[in-house]
Amino acid sequence: DQQVKQNSPSLSVQEGRISILNCDYTNSMFDYFLWYKKYPAEGPTFLISISSIKDKNEDGRFTVFLNKSAKHLSLHIVPSQPGDSAVYFCAASAGGSTLGRLYFGRGTQLTVWP
Amino acid sequence: DTGVSQDPRHKITKRGQNVTFRCDPISEHNRLYWYRQTLGQGPEFLTYFQNEAQLEKSRLLSDRFSAERPKGSFSTLEIQRTEQGDSAMYLCASSLHYLFDEQFFGPGTRLTVL
Repeated sequence: DQQVKQNSPSLSVQEGRISILNCDYTNSMFDYFLWYKKYPAEGPTFLISISSIKDKNEDGRFTVFLNKSAKHLSLHIVPSQPGDSAVYFCAASAGGSTLGRLYFGRGTQLTVWP
Repeated sequence: DTGVSQDPRHKITKRGQNVTFRCDPISEHNRLYWYRQTLGQGPEFLTYFQNEAQLEKSRLLSDRFSAERPKGSFSTLEIQRTEQGDSAMYLCASSLHYLFDEQFFGPGTRLTVL
């Protein structure tokens, strides 16, 4: 049973435009959400996170939005760059103030073309 | 400071053989996690340790799998009597036991069972 869902397996965006990656979750106990980026032959790299007490968190070109009522979060990348091309994973935790296991979506392959 | 390291990076074995993987976390991190990733899926949680104590195991961790972290530093994951379905990328991650601390992943060990 997939508790974290990324329904778009791929996304293609032109350089300089906005990339929006979406993620839905089913478990209302999730209270912390993370985005990871993964290049081929490497492990996932942490990108940005948000706790359930917030609805937005921003770090440079990356912004994550959380809509708890819809159980939906999204990652915005502005402006997109070719180096952003990678697989992006959404992850969630129900650990409260301490992280335990993470539940991951299946990932979205982002391709940024010049 | 080095990140999380895993050894070996690749392992090819015949069905029925035993294999052991090693993970060295970031030195000051007291939490260590094992995940498995198969093609087209996100990482799936297997187990995690806080120091030397194994705090949680997934039902994915059958009795053929065993993980240890004897001195609270490096960890090993052993698979006995490997099956073709065990073929996957095995990822290790570590984190500090702090509020909302992200997990840092190693490059993974790719296991192929023939």
